[in-house]
Amino acid sequence: GENVEQHPSTLSVQEGDSAVIKCTYSDSASNYFPWYKQELGKRPQLIIDIRSNVGEKKDQRIAVTLNKTAKHFSLHITETQPEDSAVYFCAASSGGSNYKLTFGKGTLLTVNP
Amino acid sequence: NAGVTQTPKFRVLKTGQSMTLLCAQDMNHEYMYWYRQDPGMGLRLIHYSVGEGTTAKGEVPDGYNVSRLKKQNFLLGLESAAPSQTSVYFCASTRGGGRVYNEQFFGPGTRLTVL
Repeated sequence: GENVEQHPSTLSVQEGDSAVIKCTYSDSASNYFPWYKQELGKRPQLIIDIRSNVGEKKDQRIAVTLNKTAKHFSLHITETQPEDSAVYFCAASSGGSNYKLTFGKGTLLTVNP
Repeated sequence: NAGVTQTPKFRVLKTGQSMTLLCAQDMNHEYMYWYRQDPGMGLRLIHYSVGEGTTAKGEVPDGYNVSRLKKQNFLLGLESAAPSQTSVYFCASTRGGGRVYNEQFFGPGTRLTVL
């Protein structure tokens, strides 16, 4: 089955700095890569996603890049703010299916004012 | 729309007791999922359903059973709870169908402690 590795497990940045979280996946058939943000005590919520036919996608301060050859994708957050502090999860569609996701173990991002 | 809701929000069980977690969605989604979240382990899929009357095993199905008798509901059962099942349980749903993947919407979670 699909295996998703996520790094780092914790990340601390100063407000205004950029943050980058990286994930690798094992199954070359995976074609959908979402990122979820989970604030403390809350449910995970989708913040951005990318499909395998696209190399990069941006939404205001967040962007995701995908390298299919290397089987890795990354989340980039620019101009970080304290409200960006949360756990971020990457995921990959399992075996190219359109109904299952395999999640990474998460990155705790702390933005220090 | 309420989206995805879960009942109960918190529960404490003794080892060997049974319980059922209820997930409901009002978005007419085809696919529904149960995950457990443990510290440092991310979200792990327990069971899922791709339509009313269907269920399938996920990554960590042992000790759990599920049922999807109605399209809008997905039940997760623990027949004989064990301390290893102490976790936060999330239900999720997605529109499903077709060849394109759709966003999964999560419920608020159920925090279960087994003593």
